[in-house]
Amino acid sequence: QKEVEQDPGPLSVPEGAIVSLNCTYSNSAFQYFMWYRQYSRKGPELLMYTYSSGNKEDGRFTAQVDKSSKYISLFIRDSQPSDSATYLCAMKGGGNKLTFGTGTQLKVEL
Amino acid sequence: EPEVTQTPSHQVTQMGQEVILRCVPISNHLYFYWYRQILGQKVEFLVSFYNNEISEKSEIFDDQFSVERPDGSNFTLKIRSTKLEDSAMYFCASRGTEYEQYFGPGTRLTVT
Repeated sequence: QKEVEQDPGPLSVPEGAIVSLNCTYSNSAFQYFMWYRQYSRKGPELLMYTYSSGNKEDGRFTAQVDKSSKYISLFIRDSQPSDSATYLCAMKGGGNKLTFGTGTQLKVEL
Repeated sequence: EPEVTQTPSHQVTQMGQEVILRCVPISNHLYFYWYRQILGQKVEFLVSFYNNEISEKSEIFDDQFSVERPDGSNFTLKIRSTKLEDSAMYFCASRGTEYEQYFGPGTRLTVT
């Protein structure tokens, strides 16, 4: 079983839709959860950061963490064509490194 | 807004040659990282660096790799003798006292 699993997509939605992106993980030691957005051949851009379980909202983005189910989500409201990118979940336990999912490719169509 | 910068954006080298990838982390950050992403694959951790020493490294980071902070602003990754399988995007990241890591735009390394 992979440490972090993420559906690679592609996920195609119409403009204005609510997008739900998800990751599951197996390592109980993960406590810090991040979502990054990556455009083609560019560096990951940090969108959201959450510690432990709960919800966090920032503008059109909401991150949810359910540690009991080892499941994290990112919701994007009122999706725009500019949201088209690959979304990476990343997690950290007690050490220094981030463990990434494979990324979900999102396309928001006009 | 402060950002991590990396040079060069693209490096082409021949197998067996040494390459040095350069990064300028965010100025007040203390923790520095290198990650790589082979085309079509996930981002993988290579090494973390704090207080002028390696704090953690992955299995990928073998004796062919080294890191250095030669001055107060730069952070470098050296690959001593490049192999074809070292072709990838290499990302530098840094963080301050919080746990969020901020990534640079990457250096695309092509080994021929």
